[in-house]
Amino acid sequence: EVQLVESGGGLVKPGGSLRLSCAASGFTFSSYSMNWVRQAPGKGLEWVSSISSSSSYIYYADSVKGRFTISRDNAKNSLYLQMNSLRAEDTAVYYCARDLEGVLWFDYWGQGTLVTVSS
Amino acid sequence: EIVMTQSPATLSVSPGERATLSCRASQSVSSNLAWYQQKPGQAPRLLIYGASTRATGIPARFSGSGSGTEFTLTISSLQSEDFAVYYCQQYNNWPPRTFGQGTKVEIK
Repeated sequence: EVQLVESGGGLVKPGGSLRLSCAASGFTFSSYSMNWVRQAPGKGLEWVSSISSSSSYIYYADSVKGRFTISRDNAKNSLYLQMNSLRAEDTAVYYCARDLEGVLWFDYWGQGTLVTVSS
Repeated sequence: EIVMTQSPATLSVSPGERATLSCRASQSVSSNLAWYQQKPGQAPRLLIYGASTRATGIPARFSGSGSGTEFTLTISSLQSEDFAVYYCQQYNNWPPRTFGQGTKVEIK
């Protein structure tokens, strides 16, 4: 069974940092691109970042470029999102989601982790 | 950036009735469109990809159609478990992969 389990969310002050993790199981992690998608409270979905299976290709939304860094460790079946210079508008549930390399829809999602940026 | 616009924002439907949701792209996305369902407190679930192909395990009452800029998700006979928010997402031109703002299907 495919499982994606996010962790690392919490309350952080504006300007602070947080590192999210996503633990994957039930599939060959190294064969899939991975993504972060967020959802602000009561709002819609926003794609944040993608990383290819071998980390060769990395993309970010303009809203997080220069502040967030996506990475992965295929040996540990884990995906990460380092978030720096956090702003109130980064408050959201952050989901990790997978897509098979070359196909660009998200076929499995984790349950999400809540990040709250507030003083 | 391709902007995805969904309509209506809220759709009130009685159980057993048909629901038709629309998604429009600001420029052609060919058939590179997916639909997701999200229930309160849950992660989104993939329903449709390639504009019309049902994902694994998705009931046949869900169908997708369209290409270019106009897309439709149809739920032929609404069941109680289908009341949720539905999002479309384009993956033709990216980054970014963009979502519509969602359509909430509620009980009439």
